[in-house]
Amino acid sequence: SYELTQPPSVSVSPRQTASITCSGDILGDNYACWYQQKPGQSPVLVIYQDTKRPSGIPERFSGSNSGDTATLTISGTQAMDEADYYCQAWDSSAAVFGGGTKLTVL
Amino acid sequence: QVQLVQSGAAVKKPGASVKVSCKASGYTFTIYDINWVRQATGQGLEWLGWMNPNSGITGYAQKFQGRVTMTRNTSLTTAYMELSSLTSEDTAVYYCARESARLYGMDVWGQGTTVTVSS
Repeated sequence: SYELTQPPSVSVSPRQTASITCSGDILGDNYACWYQQKPGQSPVLVIYQDTKRPSGIPERFSGSNSGDTATLTISGTQAMDEADYYCQAWDSSAAVFGGGTKLTVL
Repeated sequence: QVQLVQSGAAVKKPGASVKVSCKASGYTFTIYDINWVRQATGQGLEWLGWMNPNSGITGYAQKFQGRVTMTRNTSLTTAYMELSSLTSEDTAVYYCARESARLYGMDVWGQGTTVTVSS
């Protein structure tokens, strides 16, 4: 089965830029999505098709995909961005989630 | 508004089955696939499978093949996920989430259903 690898944790100071990576072979041929999940809540889609933001998601959230590594970037990080973040992609027949990254805003 | 509303929490004994429902409203039910994802306490997201509500076609994660069944009732705009032969490892929050053509991400999620497996 395919895997997507994320760092378990990332720390960032308020108003700085946070970057969360997601690596895996399937990213070379498939789009990446990113989800934000706060404690006790359902996940929220923040990026789809590598770089696109759903309506209502702040512009400070952006995404990129270099082939085997997708990156979620949060510019001007705010305290409200502290959450778990998961990448996800499809292989030919199954959805694959990364292990998740806990973003701490110090 | 667009929403997915799931059934309430369930407590099951080992070896039993559980059926979770996911009622869609605010959009055309048959246009979007429904995915099922679970999350054990303190753990990450795990995908169980998907269903096309229009055709009823399903696809299951290899790990759950033979143990999970996804169905729907289009008249009720409701999707169902049944998991059998439960063990304590199946204790988790189960989510349904809609997606279009595997291109636009899982953009609407249910509130989650807690399933506890305990003797």
